[in-house]
Amino acid sequence: TIMTQSPATLSVSPGERATLSCRASQSINSKLAWYQQKPGQAPRLLIFDASTRATGVPARFSASGSGTEFTLTISSLQSEDFALYYCQQYINWLSFGGGTKVEIK
Amino acid sequence: QLQLQESGPGLVKPSETLSLTCTVSGASISSSDYFWAWIRQTPEKGLEWIGHIYSSGSTFYNSSLKSRVSMSVDTPKNQFSLKLHSVTAADTAVYFCAAGFYTGWFLSFWGQGTVVAVSS
Repeated sequence: TIMTQSPATLSVSPGERATLSCRASQSINSKLAWYQQKPGQAPRLLIFDASTRATGVPARFSASGSGTEFTLTISSLQSEDFALYYCQQYINWLSFGGGTKVEIK
Repeated sequence: QLQLQESGPGLVKPSETLSLTCTVSGASISSSDYFWAWIRQTPEKGLEWIGHIYSSGSTFYNSSLKSRVSMSVDTPKNQFSLKLHSVTAADTAVYFCAAGFYTGWFLSFWGQGTVVAVSS
């Protein structure tokens, strides 16, 4: 299953909302996770089952979708949120999207 | 809290075998609550699932690597391992060990990653 993320780069001002998209090449129901990765670090799980926040993830992170279209929203960007974000499906083995870089505008 | 730490050579010669070990702390590797995975990352291909293993020894491998990959669990040492045979420069990557709950193949826990370069 091919995962496609858009946009590749998203320029956002602190305090603004960021909306990231992830599309699956076939239906994955709700078997989707989102990760955040900062330079030199491992990815960190944010969301699983398409919309469930992982332990300790702030409420400003929300996600939705099912089937082939998914969205991650960061309601009010904080300085620590500027990072790379990846989606991953887990209904057909595991595969990751190419990532969206959220950068400071 | 479950923690993972990769170890192994940072440089491997072409055609040889890449061997990495992941040491688990905060949980028993023999627990049926988890699966244990290897992921690699390159600038060209991004994040790539290599495969994962359960404490029972059941393994699942990426079909693109299956002919060259083997994984195992060492229960007394609370470790799991990766072997990737016949490596080429294309196998140069940051290798992460990771773990997740048996309820779904998402990765809740990650090691810090280790850089492995394939070069003569």
